[in-house]
Amino acid sequence: QSALTQPPSASGSPGQSVTISCTGTSSDVGAYNYVSWYQQHPGKAPKLIISEVNKRPSGVPDRFSGSKSGNTASLTVSGLQAEDEADYYCNSYAGGTKLVFGGGTKLTVL
Amino acid sequence: EVQLVESGGGLVQPGRSLRLSCAASGFIFDDYSMHWVRQAPGKGLEWVSGIHWNSGVKDYGDSVRGRFTISRDNAKNSLYLQMNSLRPEDTALYYCTKGTSGTSWYDFEYWGQGALVTVSS
Repeated sequence: QSALTQPPSASGSPGQSVTISCTGTSSDVGAYNYVSWYQQHPGKAPKLIISEVNKRPSGVPDRFSGSKSGNTASLTVSGLQAEDEADYYCNSYAGGTKLVFGGGTKLTVL
Repeated sequence: EVQLVESGGGLVQPGRSLRLSCAASGFIFDDYSMHWVRQAPGKGLEWVSGIHWNSGVKDYGDSVRGRFTISRDNAKNSLYLQMNSLRPEDTALYYCTKGTSGTSWYDFEYWGQGALVTVSS
């Protein structure tokens, strides 16, 4: 199972919006609405911020939103804040007991 | 409050074994699937292994299949990972994670702080 493809880096200024892509195949992202996104600050454990493509767990600001088109899922962070600077990872269910992560994207708030 | 506390990490020589434990609290443990996810130093996340609520389904990532064994003791609210024939490339921070249902295999709702495993001679 190959890893999902994410851009290594993304950036934006405070208040702007940034979108991070996560590209898979018709066997994972394209086949299931089970794409999740995680935020990881340096030295911390990852935190689930989006599940099932576009659902925000309780406590996650509505500045974070998810979507999917074909084999590509996207995470959009609106109204960028300094604390949004972190690494972001996507993962996707791939059927049976298979699941795959993306390589991660480092988001920099300029 | 959900808590996942890993233990058992450390420095081990290649070819040797190590057993990780994860003590869970703050939720009904046997209602949820559990997983191990690892992160090599400076690298991304890699799913290692998962287990259904009743241990009826277990599976492993390709890089550890045949060497690692996942198990759980619902009476003790604990998850385990037996790691045999360890290799330098197994060096990583190993996270214990909680699924969102008894059989979920895609959402990792809560994470522990990780147990560091270093494989080196």
